[in-house]
Amino acid sequence: DVKVTQSSRYLVKRTGEKVFLECVQDMDHENMFWYRQDPGLGLRLIYFSYDVKMKEKGDIPEGYSVSREKKERFSLILESASTNQTSMYLCASSGNRAANQPQHFGDGTRLSIL
Amino acid sequence: AQSVTQLDSQVPVFEEAPVELRCNYSSSVSVYLFWYVQYPNQGLQLLLKYLSGSTLVESINGFEAEFNKSQTSFHLRKPSVHISDTAEYFCASKGGTSYGKLTFGQGTILTVHP
Repeated sequence: DVKVTQSSRYLVKRTGEKVFLECVQDMDHENMFWYRQDPGLGLRLIYFSYDVKMKEKGDIPEGYSVSREKKERFSLILESASTNQTSMYLCASSGNRAANQPQHFGDGTRLSIL
Repeated sequence: AQSVTQLDSQVPVFEEAPVELRCNYSSSVSVYLFWYVQYPNQGLQLLLKYLSGSTLVESINGFEAEFNKSQTSFHLRKPSVHISDTAEYFCASKGGTSYGKLTFGQGTILTVHP
């Protein structure tokens, strides 16, 4: 069974801090994704990666960056956290580049910026 | 760009009643469709998927969805719901040429009352 693990379930940070959210998958998947989830807006794609050191902007990349140094790990970075980045963050992975592969999700990190 | 619309943000229903959660997607040459479920404080789990073939797809816990190309719909149905079906449900689409990127609807909160 695919396992996507996010390092923290809950996180509280201060405005202006640099924040790292970590995600690890154990299925050797090529594709990894970061979403944020807000009530009434569904999931919005921040960044995704289809290979090590490769990254592509999603729909809302502003204020975020990502790092993928190893295939199993995909990090989301908030360079200077702001209160409007308070949200639930979900990481996902999927195998190969075929579009019909479903994504597998972690349990999410609920991030609060004070 | 793909878009997905879930027509109801909240659906309250009594236990053992039937339910339909509506989803419409923007037309594409080829499209793959998914329903995900999110229980409280958890990540998203794949409920069912349409890739090709039979337009009626089923999940192991009694949900089904029908792909209707002419109406660009992929509504989710269950003939008799249980309290344990209370969750948020997300419809998602994926174009045939993407790197597995999903486009999500806004989500529908299904609340089953005793």
